[in-house]
Amino acid sequence: GQQLNQSPQSMFIQEGEDVSMNCTSSSIFNTWLWYKQDPGEGPVLLIALYKAGELTSNGRLTAQFGITRKDSFLNISASIPSDVGIYFCAGFTGNQFYFGTGTSLTVIP
Amino acid sequence: NAGVMQNPRHLVRRRGQEARLRCSPMKGHSHVYWYRQLPEEGLKFMVYLQKENIIDESGMPKERFSAEFPKEGPSILRIQQVVRGDSAAYFCASSRGTGGAETQYFGPGTRLLVL
Repeated sequence: GQQLNQSPQSMFIQEGEDVSMNCTSSSIFNTWLWYKQDPGEGPVLLIALYKAGELTSNGRLTAQFGITRKDSFLNISASIPSDVGIYFCAGFTGNQFYFGTGTSLTVIP
Repeated sequence: NAGVMQNPRHLVRRRGQEARLRCSPMKGHSHVYWYRQLPEEGLKFMVYLQKENIIDESGMPKERFSAEFPKEGPSILRIQQVVRGDSAAYFCASSRGTGGAETQYFGPGTRLLVL
């Protein structure tokens, strides 16, 4: 099935730094979702975006639904060690969900 | 409001045995999705079900794998005659299924180990 192009694949950052990751697709989506997965756990929903141009925050996390409806980004400000994990984007076309390949984040104390 | 429930959390099977994975969607959700994840990899779509209907099974292997979501009870992913390559984490997710904008919530997963 279709995969979203998610980048970067991995990131190693110092505690306190800001992080940015994004997803792009050739298809238009009605919904963009961002998840975080910790080792041994299921993905946990972080932010859901429903309208083109929408900018939504959840604590230190901010995500935007691209105007073209084909992309989205997630920013994490002032990273802390517990931000470590794998972040997935997902898009919903109206019929099906598609997932990015994930961004592995490592935060160095 | 209970989230998506999956059981068992861990399942060990010998080659040739059957594995049954259960998923109870969130309250009010009528759509269920199953995904498979290998270590260090992303989520791979397997099957999408509504109550008593399989909507899309394009990601499911043609043999040995089946899924159902009966009118009553949890969704079941069934793997017959398991092989070592079936070892993976299997995640279930659910959504309301109202169309338009949708949000999908995941369960904690079942980790299958085939010996």
